[in-house]
Formats: sequence, C-alpha cells, structure tokens
Amino acid sequence: ETGVTQSPTHLIKTRGQQVTLRCSSQSGHNTVSWYQQALGQGPQFIFQYYREEENGRGNFPPRFSGLQFPNYSSERNVNALELDDSALYLCASSLGVVSTDTQYFGPGTRLTVL
Amino acid sequence: ILNVEQSPQSLHVQEGDSTNFTCSFPSSNFYALHWYRWETAKSPEALFVMTLNGDEKKKGRISATLNTKEGYSYLYIKGSQPEDSATYLCAPPGEAAGNKLTFGGGTRVLVKP
Repeated sequence: ETGVTQSPTHLIKTRGQQVTLRCSSQSGHNTVSWYQQALGQGPQFIFQYYREEENGRGNFPPRFSGLQFPNYSSERNVNALELDDSALYLCASSLGVVSTDTQYFGPGTRLTVL
Repeated sequence: ILNVEQSPQSLHVQEGDSTNFTCSFPSSNFYALHWYRWETAKSPEALFVMTLNGDEKKKGRISATLNTKEGYSYLYIKGSQPEDSATYLCAPPGEAAGNKLTFGGGTRVLVKP
C-alpha cells in the first residue's frame, strides 16, 4: 500500500461534460503529479504541483487543470470532455521534486467518455 | 519529449526460469531512472531509483543494472514466480533534475506455472 488514494474508481461521462478527479497524497509529501494512461501505452505526464503551485505541465491542453490543497489532497479537472480523454488517470505523490524522489502512485481512476 | 523504449513489449516465462528485459533512454543529460512494477488492478509499485553509471540494485529476486553512457538499463528476474506477473515500467525524468517522469511502454511479463 502506497498510502495514496484516488476517487472515484470508475467514472462514465459524455462528451462535452466536465469531470473532477480527486487524490489524497501521503502525509508529508509536498508534491503531487498526475498522469494519463491510454490503452496499450505507458503513463503520460499531465502536470505536477509542488506546495500548491503548478510546477510543470506536459503536452496537454488548458482544459486540463488541477489544484493542490494544504491537506495533502489534490484534484484534477477536465472541461469539455472528448472521446480521447477516456483513459486511466493516476496521481502520484512524492516528498519533493528532485530527480531521485520516488513517486508513490494511487490505484487510478478509470474514465470512460461516451 | 524523451524517447523511452522498452523491449520486448511482452514476455511469457515458465515458472522457475530467469528472464531479463531492456529499457533504452537518451544518454545525454541523464539524472535518474525509475523502475516500477504494476500488477493488474493495483497501484504501480516503485522498485528502484538508479543514478550512477554501472549501478546495480537488487530487491529479492529482481535486480537492475544501469549504463548511462549508452543509455540503457536491464531488469532481471531470477527464478520467476507467478506473483512476478506484472507490467514493468521504466521512467527517466522528462526534464533535467526534476521528477516529472517519462514512461516507456512497459514490458508485460506473464509467468506460467
């Protein structure tokens, strides 16, 4: 068990809707990162938050946004859902942002967009 | 965007046999390489963080080596057991000195009893 939890486990939405996914980090971890895993691929970096500030973003459009809260929780929002947004969304927490800081992953939220 | 490749994509191993597979990554501006094991319906589990050329790490029957000059890492499983069945992912950081990971596509290992 990594101590990182995500909710909900599964979610079905329709195209054009908005979705919020939630993540609870390990206590004491200052960093949360979000990844998208499409079928048959490795996880792809979406964005990272360090001490409640965005600390980098992958190749995802602005309709993907996120927040990190002081209580080690985080949420990831997507507006105007598209069919291609169907994927497993993983969050991971780490102590800091250096290259050797291990990221501890949650079990993911499976999003299906119809 | 880093190009991280893992081969093979999938592997069937007989219980008791040993196996190994590869992660290739750009050798320039190397800082670290992370290995994860991901069993179906579970969270990805961190195995190793490797930083130095020639590094070798071990956890039980699983070990990994690192060659930063030529840009590859091998992961070995000795005496495979059914519980080793999982997808193994490698990931260097996508930018210098940070930990925003760029994952390879993974090697899916199935150990047959």
